[in-house]
Amino acid sequence: DTEVTQTPKHLVMGMTNKKSLKCEQHMGHRAMYWYKQKAKKPPELMFVYSYEKLSINESVPSRFSPECPNSSLLNLHLHALQPEDSALYLCASSRGRIRDLNEGEQFFGPGTRLTVL
Amino acid sequence: AQSVTQLDSHVSVSEGTPVLLRCNYSSSYSPSLFWYVQHPNKGLQLLLKYTSAATLVKGINGFEAEFKKSETSFHLTKPSAHMSDAAEYFCVVTRNAGNMLTFGGGTRLMVKP
Repeated sequence: DTEVTQTPKHLVMGMTNKKSLKCEQHMGHRAMYWYKQKAKKPPELMFVYSYEKLSINESVPSRFSPECPNSSLLNLHLHALQPEDSALYLCASSRGRIRDLNEGEQFFGPGTRLTVL
Repeated sequence: AQSVTQLDSHVSVSEGTPVLLRCNYSSSYSPSLFWYVQHPNKGLQLLLKYTSAATLVKGINGFEAEFKKSETSFHLTKPSAHMSDAAEYFCVVTRNAGNMLTFGGGTRLMVKP
């Protein structure tokens, strides 16, 4: 299985709602990532988990809360979002430790299209 | 610090003609370089990668790229464009000698019939 899956594909939520995005991979990868992508822009890194521990938070607002329950799963909990948070949220995974050379290839999921009303 | 510049934000070609998407990078060490493709409302798919082996890298769907250290370039080419190649293409370099990625701004490839 060489796939990263994400659910849901689309999500519409109000500013007072609480929702979660889910990501799963079964490639034995030990690094997992959340990216945010606005229209016509490259992905922006939000969080990195390495061996189930949060290793990088790119100064993301606390209304986004990541969670890594095990080595195959990655969640992103959403609460009190703003309309400007509407974007495509991409999950990715890669092999190895974060400092390994030549381990940079990341496998991306199809994304969750989030709309905040 | 690492950076990636994609020299064209939009490229338009006719079907059956060659494709050239240009990418220049800067890095303080020997980087790994990638080209990813993103079709509308889809995730990113790896086209090819350079990791200090052969400088001419062949990827999927007939794409290839040549790493030129003297020019700090990693341009993507394809001999003959197909309608299905219309998409957004990102040139990417590893950040800080690890597996963090720095993305270029993207090039939108349009293919005319």
